[in-house]
Amino acid sequence: QKEVEQNSGPLSVPEGAIASLNCTYSDRGSQSFFWYRQYSGKSPELIMSIYSNGDKEDGRFTAQLNKASQYVSLLIRDSQPSDSATYLCAVYKYNFNKFYFGSGTKLNVKP
Amino acid sequence: GAVVSQHPSWVICKSGTSVKIECRSLDFQATTMFWYRQFPKQSLMLMATSNEGSKATYEQGVEKDKFLINHASLTLSTLTVTSAHPEDSSFYICSARDLVTSGKYEQYFGPGTRLTVT
Repeated sequence: QKEVEQNSGPLSVPEGAIASLNCTYSDRGSQSFFWYRQYSGKSPELIMSIYSNGDKEDGRFTAQLNKASQYVSLLIRDSQPSDSATYLCAVYKYNFNKFYFGSGTKLNVKP
Repeated sequence: GAVVSQHPSWVICKSGTSVKIECRSLDFQATTMFWYRQFPKQSLMLMATSNEGSKATYEQGVEKDKFLINHASLTLSTLTVTSAHPEDSSFYICSARDLVTSGKYEQYFGPGTRLTVT
């Protein structure tokens, strides 16, 4: 079983719509969760971190964490073509001092 | 803040030669640095974790004698690919984190180094 699972997509949404990206993780003891955006040929860029159950909002981005369901999501409001990228979900495990990445979801925002 | 640089951004070398990649944290002290490799259309693969002043911890399947990691200061880590072969051609990305001062677990990525071995 993979530590972090993501649907590879592609997820296509029209410009201005809400994009919803989902991620599940296997270790119930995981405590730190991150979303990264990676444009083709570039390195990942941190978008959001979330540590507690509930929602965390930053501009057009909202991260949601549900530890009981072992589920993390990222909502992108008012999606723009420039949001088209691969979104990586990552979980940090304290005991192992390392991050586990999902395989990423490719998002296409159509003008 | 939280800027990480890598040098070189791309490099072409001949099979059998060695290549050194530098990773620097520019505006914070990186107590931990991570080295990743990414093949086309694949996700990140962690190669090793290095803490300043300590030996790197390598992931299973990563040859420590082939991928030499040095984290001699709080702002610099290097990855040396020794006796490179075409199968080592990949996108190498470092990341850095300052847990001690910031108390945050976020890691920040460098721009990556694209290595091509001919």
